[in-house]
Amino acid sequence: NAGVTQTPKFRVLKTGQSMTLLCAQDMNHEYMYWYRQDPGMGLRLIHYSVGEGTTAKGEVPDGYNVSRLKKQNFLLGLESAAPSQTSVYFCATKEPNTEAFFGQGTRLTVV
Amino acid sequence: GENVEQHPSTLSVQEGDSAVIKCTYSDSASNYFPWYKQELGKGPQLIIDIRSNVGEKKDQRIAVTLNKTAKHFSLHITETQPEDSAVYFCAASIDDYKLSFGAGTTVTVRA
Repeated sequence: NAGVTQTPKFRVLKTGQSMTLLCAQDMNHEYMYWYRQDPGMGLRLIHYSVGEGTTAKGEVPDGYNVSRLKKQNFLLGLESAAPSQTSVYFCATKEPNTEAFFGQGTRLTVV
Repeated sequence: GENVEQHPSTLSVQEGDSAVIKCTYSDSASNYFPWYKQELGKGPQLIIDIRSNVGEKKDQRIAVTLNKTAKHFSLHITETQPEDSAVYFCAASIDDYKLSFGAGTTVTVRA
């Protein structure tokens, strides 16, 4: 039982490159989230999904896109990476009225 | 949206002493208040939570108090140990599926 798995764990991108971060969960949770963590700013919600095939914007969605084609996977895409997107990205999952479970994080550097 | 402020940003305590972290929230409709602990290189993990129909909750050395009138809640750690050193985040939720996080408190327990 892996819980919440994020791929990759580290990545360095050049400005303008694209990439996709994968979040996979084996807990059969309905809700999935992508957060970014920056020093002094806590965790800020980028996008979230309340079920397979649904997505919604969070607090800081600009520059990112997401897809949830399968219940267990939530993908975060950066179409044209910018240095401001250098951050640690966390995926989380939960069920209604239960705690959220987080992945180990993806450290992304855009140069 | 909900705004959560967390203080202090850093806290250094002597082993065996108590640590207190305070958070305030802006939306009186918030009804769920979890606390997460994040160890170095890992994702946040829930340590305790409280709902708005309860004023206090305790789990061994950890307790959380909630003052709905003043819109603030606090985490109390007693008899601190070196393994309590970590970053702690408070959060608040209005609708169960979206959490708004505080900026985090880095706690260091001195031996």
